[in-house]
Amino acid sequence: DAKTTQPPSMDCAEGRAANLPCNHSTISGNEYVYWYRQIHSQGPQYIIHGLKNNETNEMASLIITEDRKSSTLILPHATLRDTAVYYCIVRVANAGGTSYGKLTFGQGTILTVHP
Amino acid sequence: DGGITQSPKYLFRKEGQNVTLSCEQNLNHDAMYWYRQDPGQGLRLIYYSQIVNDFQKGDIAEGYSVSREKKESFPLTVTSAQKNPTAFYLCASSIIAGPYNEQFFGPGTRLTVL
Repeated sequence: DAKTTQPPSMDCAEGRAANLPCNHSTISGNEYVYWYRQIHSQGPQYIIHGLKNNETNEMASLIITEDRKSSTLILPHATLRDTAVYYCIVRVANAGGTSYGKLTFGQGTILTVHP
Repeated sequence: DGGITQSPKYLFRKEGQNVTLSCEQNLNHDAMYWYRQDPGQGLRLIYYSQIVNDFQKGDIAEGYSVSREKKESFPLTVTSAQKNPTAFYLCASSIIAGPYNEQFFGPGTRLTVL
């Protein structure tokens, strides 16, 4: 699986958009981009994933560049409860339709939302 | 409510003792996973299982053992052979079919070996 690079920490004001970047310059054509977050002392929580198109759900938006070498997770209106470590992960989808699902977590970005 | 439960939340053991961490899911997921997290670090895969009575080693399986006798349960035993057992242990599960298999995580067990 391709490695990812994220800034170690970011700050955001409550109510503003939080834009978290991720570099995955060695991503291959069959690798998806996943985002998870982990609030202190809890299990990680899935946020969103994508292959090449931009994606949006009730939690966030995922913008993937055309060359797929980087992506940005956008929390449109950050709240204090969004303070967490955000992990960007790239993972191959098994061509046979099954995968043992290993997620390789790096150190992520510590996002701090302040009042 | 569907989800994954891990118990206990905090566990203390003396050095040299084996300890078993519980993980139960009622999501009807085929695949289950155990991860270890050390302070300030990401998660590392210990063991995973795609089906009952079958499991595979992850990246850091030494000193650990698992069983998968039931679809709902995937207990992890931390043996005395594990040199640095103090850590935060996370269990996860997912469906097996398809490329996405989003993983759902339990609340974790924090193990401290004294």
